[in-house]
Amino acid sequence: AQTVTQSQPEMSVQEAETVTLSCTYDTSESDYYLFWYKQPPSRQMILVIRQEAYKQQNATENRFSVNFQKAAKSFSLKISDSQLGDAAMYFCAYNLGETSGSRLTFGEGTQLTVNP
Amino acid sequence: DTAVSQTPKYLVTQMGNDKSIKCEQNLGHDTMYWYKQDSKKFLKIMFSYNNKELIINETVPNRFSPKSPDKAHLNLHINSLELGDSAVYFCASSQDRLAGQETQYFGPGTRLLVL
Repeated sequence: AQTVTQSQPEMSVQEAETVTLSCTYDTSESDYYLFWYKQPPSRQMILVIRQEAYKQQNATENRFSVNFQKAAKSFSLKISDSQLGDAAMYFCAYNLGETSGSRLTFGEGTQLTVNP
Repeated sequence: DTAVSQTPKYLVTQMGNDKSIKCEQNLGHDTMYWYKQDSKKFLKIMFSYNNKELIINETVPNRFSPKSPDKAHLNLHINSLELGDSAVYFCASSQDRLAGQETQYFGPGTRLLVL
């Protein structure tokens, strides 16, 4: 079965500190795309960062970076200098492209709390 | 300008009623999706359309019927609503269904509560 697993239902971090959210996935495909989405209390789904599986270089987007380990099927998100506005539910997801009709398959989510 | 919009944002209705949720995107994308987020916040694909053609029809009860009058609109009609249909429904769009790397842009969601 194609799955995405986020083993941390909840995480907390102090403002200005760094936190890492874990994600593992399972697929037999070699080409796919990985995403982290953020869902604040407003409910809006916001793309945080994405990674192409064929790229070895880890994606970065300002304070957000990923640690992509293809062999281990791991895709963790690191948030540096955490801000109060980072508090949200974070979802890891993958897209297998045409193979799956380009659907996003999501993990269960990690609720991040940022403490002042 | 809103990229992906949904109406209504909130919908409270009685069991057995029929309701529709509308979605529009002004991004010029070819592909649109419906996802359901349950009470545990789990998100799952329901349907996708590419240029008005149905691509994904997940194992969803046939009380749910998507309709795409044109590639900028994807509506979701639900017949005979049940308590278990209570959820948040998200519409999303992307440029090209053949390209898995395409970012999917989500609408604000419609919170449906069936009483």
